Amino acid sequence: GAGVSQSPRYKVAKRGQDVALRCDPISGHVSLFWYQQALGQGPEFLTYFQNEAQLDKSGLPSDRFFAERPEGSVSTLKIQRTQQEDSAVYLCASSLASTPQNPRGYEQYFGPGTRLTVT
Amino acid sequence: AQKVTQAQTEISVVEKEDVTLDCVYETRDTTYYLFWYKQPPSGELVFLIRRNSFDEQNEISGRYSWNFQKSTSSFNFTITASQVVDSAVYFCALSEGNGQNFVFGPGTRLSVLP
Repeated sequence: GAGVSQSPRYKVAKRGQDVALRCDPISGHVSLFWYQQALGQGPEFLTYFQNEAQLDKSGLPSDRFFAERPEGSVSTLKIQRTQQEDSAVYLCASSLASTPQNPRGYEQYFGPGTRLTVT
Repeated sequence: AQKVTQAQTEISVVEKEDVTLDCVYETRDTTYYLFWYKQPPSGELVFLIRRNSFDEQNEISGRYSWNFQKSTSSFNFTITASQVVDSAVYFCALSEGNGQNFVFGPGTRLSVLP
């Protein structure tokens, strides 16, 4: 079956531009996560959706970052007025509903990521 | 607060050697989940295994095995008879009981030389 897809795979933006990164989760997956991965580091949590509800956005680094999932499927991560420090790979992951009765719901499946370079 | 430590930044081995990647975690929850992911040069994170905190049984899958020790808060990963295709960055991750906040370690870069 199809995995998580992300587009674009690569994005170059000039400082100050706005960018939008798209994530298509695995069909039927309730939960969707965004992570930021700087070069040589592990992914860092940005935000989490359960269906269309954004339940946790504690990892968003500033108010320039905004994520939405209006119909509970596709999600978009938007970065306004990009800065050089925003350069990173942005990873999207999806999972089934995570409950103690269904521990497989805690397994997150990742897309290939979008590499953002801000010049 | 939850934290994952992978003390080995880089490891190099020669093909067919066994190698163990260390992972130590911190959490205050009594229910949590541990994971290992592989990130090959292509960049996509590949799920390898999930371990529940209430199940300390070790697991073997082909050349891969995992040793979960609650007493030392460790979840180590061993590759037996390593192959060049095992070369990648390996991440250990922790999710507390709510399943929302996934914390990754810094990763261990494994190079398997022919």
